[in-house]
Formats: sequence, structure tokens, C-alpha cells
Amino acid sequence: GAGVSQSPSNKVTEKGKDVELRCDPISGHTALYWYRQSLGQGLEFLIYFQGNSAPDKSGLPSDRFSAERTGGSVSTLTIQRTQQEDSAVYLCASSKGGGPGETQYFGPGTRLLVL
Amino acid sequence: AQSVTQLDSQVPVFEEAPVELRCNYSSSVSVYLFWYVQYPNQGLQLLLKYLSGSTLVKGINGFEAEFNKSQTSFHLRKPSVHISDTAEYFCAVRDTGRRALTFGSGTRLQVQP
Repeated sequence: GAGVSQSPSNKVTEKGKDVELRCDPISGHTALYWYRQSLGQGLEFLIYFQGNSAPDKSGLPSDRFSAERTGGSVSTLTIQRTQQEDSAVYLCASSKGGGPGETQYFGPGTRLLVL
Repeated sequence: AQSVTQLDSQVPVFEEAPVELRCNYSSSVSVYLFWYVQYPNQGLQLLLKYLSGSTLVKGINGFEAEFNKSQTSFHLRKPSVHISDTAEYFCAVRDTGRRALTFGSGTRLQVQP
């Protein structure tokens, strides 16, 4: 079946602009995660959704970052007033949501470059 | 708070040689342990995971890892590597109270002919 998909695959924006990154999880997966992969910070957790709720948003680096999930499916990560330090690969993952040791399946990522 | 240390940022190895990629973690609670692989320009793919039971875990592509609670380690091994194993490998932990994964900084495995 189809895996996790993300769009766009690449995004170049100017400092100060807002960007929206989209994630389509595997069908039927109730849990969805956003991570960020950057040269300086490695792979960092941003936010976790269970259904449409976000019980853990502890990794969002500032109030410029927000995310939502609708219909228990698609999620959008929004970065307002982008800064150069926001340049990174943003990874989305999903899991069935049922058990503590479940596998998180990752998408290919969105590569964001802020000029 | 939990953390993961991957001691080697790069590991060069010749084809058909054995390899070990090291991972140590710290956590005050019980954890689940994972190894992911990232091939160039691709997303992360699960190699194997340890949840409970036997401390030796076998994964895909001939990889295995051994959980050592006393040494808080979860080293990844393969007895004979192939060129196609060239990739970045990430160790990750998740404690029983959270869903988020905490990743190590990654180890780039470079298999040379």
C-alpha cells in the first residue's frame, strides 16, 4: 500500500514569509508525528497527533510553528515569519496508534531552504 | 530526560567485512529501542526494534542488534556488509510514557569495494 507522502518535496522561501508543509499519513494510522532534521541539531521531535488532537507539542521550537490535523488524516505544519535557522528537512511519520512499541513509518521529507 | 549517543559519526568499511555501529542511551525509565536506516535522498526505514524479551534482535537486510541493559547499549551489527548498505544509520529510543522518538546524531556507514 501507499506510504507516508509529503508535499512539497522542496521549498525555497524568503526570510519572513510563511510556509505550509503537508503530510498524508498511511491510511488508517491514527498517530502522526512531525520531526525536523537539520545539520546542527540532528533529528528532533516537533509534535505528535492522536487523531486530530496534539497531546504532545513539546518539540515545537517557537510560537512561529504550529500544526493541525483534520479528519484524522492530513496534517499541515505551518511556519510563520520564517528564519534562516528554520532551514531543514521536515519529516512526517505515522503509526497505527495502538501499542507502545509500534513502528513509526516515515515519509520522504520536505526540504525547506530559507534565504 | 532521555538521550542517545552514537559514538561514531562515520564508519568506513570494506565490502564483505563485519561492522558494528555503536549506540548508548540514557534514560530514567524503561525504554524501547530502534535502529533506522536512511538511504540517500530517502526517508527513514526501520531496521529493527527491541521491545522486550530476547536481547538479541534480528532485523532486515541481515542486521542484528543486542540490547545490554547494564551497559545501556544497543549496538548494531552485520557480519558481512554490501555496497548497498552504504547509508546513514540512526539509533532511537522511546520511553514507555511518550510516543516521540529521541534520535542519536547518526552514523554514516561507507562501504568500499
